[in-house]
Amino acid sequence: GENVEQHPSTLSVQEGDSAVIKCTYSDSASNYFPWYKQELGKGPQLIIDIRSNVGEKKDQRIAVTLNKTAKHFSLHITETQPEDSAVYFCAAIKREYGNKLVFGAGTILRVKS
Amino acid sequence: GAVVSQHPSRVICKSGTSVKIECRSLDFQATTMFWYRQFPKQSLMLMATSNEGSKATYEQGVEKDKFLINHASLTLSTLTVTSAHPEDSSFYICSARDPSGSSYNEQFFGPGTRLTVL
Repeated sequence: GENVEQHPSTLSVQEGDSAVIKCTYSDSASNYFPWYKQELGKGPQLIIDIRSNVGEKKDQRIAVTLNKTAKHFSLHITETQPEDSAVYFCAAIKREYGNKLVFGAGTILRVKS
Repeated sequence: GAVVSQHPSRVICKSGTSVKIECRSLDFQATTMFWYRQFPKQSLMLMATSNEGSKATYEQGVEKDKFLINHASLTLSTLTVTSAHPEDSSFYICSARDPSGSSYNEQFFGPGTRLTVL
């Protein structure tokens, strides 16, 4: 089955700097890669996603890149703000798995003001 | 985006009692819902897949007789934790897939339910 590894486990950045979180997946057939932001005591919120037929996607300060050959994808947050502080999870999914998301372990992002 | 609600948001119960958690899709019909459990400082672990009108599919290691799932309508799935014990204390989160949406794979998550068993 699919296995997703996420790094780093914690990340501290100064407000205004960029943050990068990386994930690798094991199943080359996986074709959908979402990123979720989870604030304390709340459910995950989808912030951006990418499909296997696209190499990069951007939405304002957030971007995701996908390297299918290397089987890794990354989340890039530019001009970080204190409200970006949260836990971020990457995930991978293969439709043939019944749409079961396989999550990474999560990254605690702290943006220091 | 689509909205998924959960009720209650927080519940405290005594050991041995049963607790029911509801998951509703508010503005779309969800043929498939998912139930996750999340322990402190850990990732989400899929417990089961709930399909409208049929039996739930449980992940390996999840006791189906302890975690009863009912998906009786296209907008409601319930998770009942039977004979709850302190080790069942956790954050339970549901998600739903909108088959009519532009993204077949996208799942919308509820706000979660914090269960504390005394």
